[in-house]
Amino acid sequence: QKEVEQDPGPLSVPEGAIVSLNCTYSNSAFQYFMWYRQYSRKGPELLMYTYSSGNKEDGRFTAQVDKSSKYISLFIRDSQPSDSATYLCALSPNAGGTSYGKLTFGQGTILTVHP
Amino acid sequence: DVKVTQSSRYLVKRTGEKVFLECVQDMDHENMFWYRQDPGLGLRLIYFSYDVKMKEKGDIPEGYSVSREKKERFSLILESASTNQTSMYLCASSSGQRGNTIYFGEGSWLTVV
Repeated sequence: QKEVEQDPGPLSVPEGAIVSLNCTYSNSAFQYFMWYRQYSRKGPELLMYTYSSGNKEDGRFTAQVDKSSKYISLFIRDSQPSDSATYLCALSPNAGGTSYGKLTFGQGTILTVHP
Repeated sequence: DVKVTQSSRYLVKRTGEKVFLECVQDMDHENMFWYRQDPGLGLRLIYFSYDVKMKEKGDIPEGYSVSREKKERFSLILESASTNQTSMYLCASSSGQRGNTIYFGEGSWLTVV
C-alpha cells in the first residue's frame, strides 16, 4: 500500500464547476499538508499549505484536512480554464532536523476545465 | 519570490555519457533536493542535502550522485546515463525556518538515447 493515494483522474469539468480533489494517507506521522499545482512542462508551484485539521481558504481554493480519517481535500470554486493543470498533494511528518522538505507526494490528478 | 533555477531545460544524451544537471537557488535555503517525475509514478526523491558538502540518499539513488560545494548550488550527476533515466528532473529547495514548504525549479527534461 502506498503511503499516499491520489486518484490520477483525468478529471474534466465545465467552467464554473466546483472541483474536489482528494488524497488519503496511511501514516499518522504526517503533520504538514500541501497542495501543489503543476502546469504542463513546468515545475510544481505551492498552492496551499496547512498543518492542522480543518479548513483553510485562499480565494477560490479551500484546503481541508481530516486527520482522524487521514483524508485531505482541495476544493476549487468557480473553476476556470486557467485552473487546468496537474494537482499534487504532498505530506510531511513533524518538522525537525533533516526531515524538512522530505515530502511524500501523491501521484497527481490531471484536471481540465473546459469553457 | 524564491527562485530555483535549473540551467538546462531540455537535454538529449547518449547511453553511457556522464550527465550533469545544475541547480541554483537564491534564497539562502539550507535544504536542496533532486526529484524525478515519471507518468504514473509521481515525484520520487533521488537525493537531498541539508548543508554544504552534506548529502543523503532519497528513495531512488541508484545510478545517481550529487555534489553540493556551495550553499546555493546542488548538482545531480548521472555517471553513465541509461535509457531508463529518461525523465523529468526537478530541483527544489526549502528553509527549515519556514516549515516544510519546498520550492521547485522549472524542471529539466532528459532524454537518453
